[in-house]
Amino acid sequence: QVQLVQSGSELKKPGASVNVSCKASGYTFTTYTINWVRQAPGQGLEWMGWINTNTGNPRYAQGFTGRFVFSLDTSVNTAYLQISSLKAEDTAVYYCARVTNWVFDYWGQGTLVTVSS
Amino acid sequence: EIVLTQSPATLSLSPGERATLSCRASKSVNTYLAWYQQKRGQAPRLLIYDASNRATGIPARFSGSGSGTDFTLTISSLEPEDFAVYYCQQRSNWQFTFGPGTKVEIK
Repeated sequence: QVQLVQSGSELKKPGASVNVSCKASGYTFTTYTINWVRQAPGQGLEWMGWINTNTGNPRYAQGFTGRFVFSLDTSVNTAYLQISSLKAEDTAVYYCARVTNWVFDYWGQGTLVTVSS
Repeated sequence: EIVLTQSPATLSLSPGERATLSCRASKSVNTYLAWYQQKRGQAPRLLIYDASNRATGIPARFSGSGSGTDFTLTISSLEPEDFAVYYCQQRSNWQFTFGPGTKVEIK
């Protein structure tokens, strides 16, 4: 069965960096894009962008350029989200999701990133 | 960018009642509209895609309708497990946006 398993919660200080991983199984990894979605505490879902798992090309949504980097390691079917120069407002749950055509059909369990001094 | 608006923000209903949730797009999205359910502490789950198609394993009490700019998610008879937040989502020019959500709570 299709599964996306994300890395565990992180507590970081402002200015630090964080890496979130998303390991896929149960399907051919390079067939579907991996998208990232942010959910701030008590808020809705915000699409961050995607990475083409076949070419490695990322596409970032408005507001997620510069400090946010999507990457892959296709040898272990894993996508990564790196956020640098963390700010308090980056505190959120970050989800990876597989997108089939344009629909988010499978989601990771989410990774809570807390930024606090 | 296409903006999605959902109404109402909160819907207070009792089990067994019918729930009608609305999603409106700022421009036509044809039928590129999906609905997701999110329970507290869980990842979202796909319910409906292409405006009216139920995803695999979704009960028949969930139905979607609409096209262009106006869409509806209907839950015909609320079960206890249906009390959650519901989001609509659209695709336009391979940019995705989500609506702000409708919380369906127990009255």
